[in-house]
This record gives sequence, structure tokens and C-alpha cells, in this order.
Amino acid sequence: QSVLTQPPSVSAAPGQKVTISCSGSSSNIGNNYVSWYQQLPGTAPKLLIYENYKRPSGIPDRFSGSKSDTSATLVITGLQTGDEADYFCGSWDSSLSAVVFGGGTKLTVL
Amino acid sequence: QLQLQESGSGLVKPSQTLSLTCAVSGDSMNTGGYSWSWIRQPPGKGLEWIGYMYHSGSTSYNPSLKSRVTISVDRSKNQFSLKLSSVTAADTAVYYCARSSGSYGWIGPWGQGTLVTVSS
Repeated sequence: QSVLTQPPSVSAAPGQKVTISCSGSSSNIGNNYVSWYQQLPGTAPKLLIYENYKRPSGIPDRFSGSKSDTSATLVITGLQTGDEADYFCGSWDSSLSAVVFGGGTKLTVL
Repeated sequence: QLQLQESGSGLVKPSQTLSLTCAVSGDSMNTGGYSWSWIRQPPGKGLEWIGYMYHSGSTSYNPSLKSRVTISVDRSKNQFSLKLSSVTAADTAVYYCARSSGSYGWIGPWGQGTLVTVSS
């Protein structure tokens, strides 16, 4: 069972917007940064968002992140079929002194 | 461009020690103040952080694995290693190495990953 909670799956049509939630507690999201990762089928995870809302070089602005209290949200706009992937949230947990992840959300672009 | 590549045995017997190495290219491990992490993913499951090491040698391990894990660095070769002792079938996973940011929590870029199977 994962420390951070994500919905198992979400879906939307091409061109639409989708939101993926990530819920935690005061020991992780509430007092630490949130990051998001995209894992395309058969590949390694890729950093999408770090420090709650920042995008690494090369990540399009269709991907955005936000945080409020003990929850975080990843928003993807202008959905493309190539966005079909598993998305994971992560955060440092101060009680565990460890990086913790959500269980992952499978995005289907219908 | 920073790149990481895992290598090591893909098959380990139960009760033995899993050993993997991560070669870092494109930059020196001692620049930027980053940490260097190992993460694993059992087939069809989610991600589990194993631990990280700074170039200075300081480490932080997942409490659930701490008693079995050692991460070390070879500064002369710009690479770092993972040892996981007393493995069982539950340790079967794809193992990734990656650059990380310590307690800032973010991890990237990642290596391509290597599958380690624990079986007799």
C-alpha cells in the first residue's frame, strides 16, 4: 500500500484536459515538495514536474502541477495519444526520512 | 547530457546478495550537490525508493530495506553501486538508478532500468 494516494485510472479524449490527484499527509506533501513522473509503456519513469510546479527543460507547458495543503494535482491539457502512460506522484516524507510515491495512475486517451 | 546506465546480474538466488552498478556519464557526480538514488519497480507494480548517496558518502535508506541495503560510490569511475542482501522472491523487480535531490524529493534523469529476478 502506497503512502501517497492516486486514482488507479483516468481517461479523456484527445484535445481535452485531465487532472490527476495525489493525496498525502503533513509528513510528506503538507510540508515537502511534490514531484510527478511519466512512465510510458516499457520505459523508465521521466521527471515531469518538480518542486510542486516547476518543469524540467523539454517538458511542454501542457503539463502543470500544483499543491494545496496535503494534496497535489497534475493537469494535462491538449491531450495527445502519446500521453497514454502511467503517472506517479512523489514526495519526501519527513517522518520516514524517505522518498515516497503514489501507486500510479494509468491515463487512457480515448 | 547526463546519462545513467545500470549493470549487474539479472538472476540472483534466494538468500544471496544482489549487486548492481550505475555508470554516470555526461557530468561528474560531484557537481551540483545532487544525491544519487536507487529505485525499484516489481513487475506490474508501483515505484519503491531504495535509498540515495551523496558524493561525500553520506547515505539515506528506505527504513523498510535499511537492514539489507548498502549504497556506495566509486569516485574514480564516476559510478555508484547497490548491494541488497538476503534477497527473496519479493525483491524481483526492475531496478533503476537516477540522479536525485536529497530531501527535495525529486528524481531525474533515470537510467533505463535492469530486471533482477530472484529464483533458484
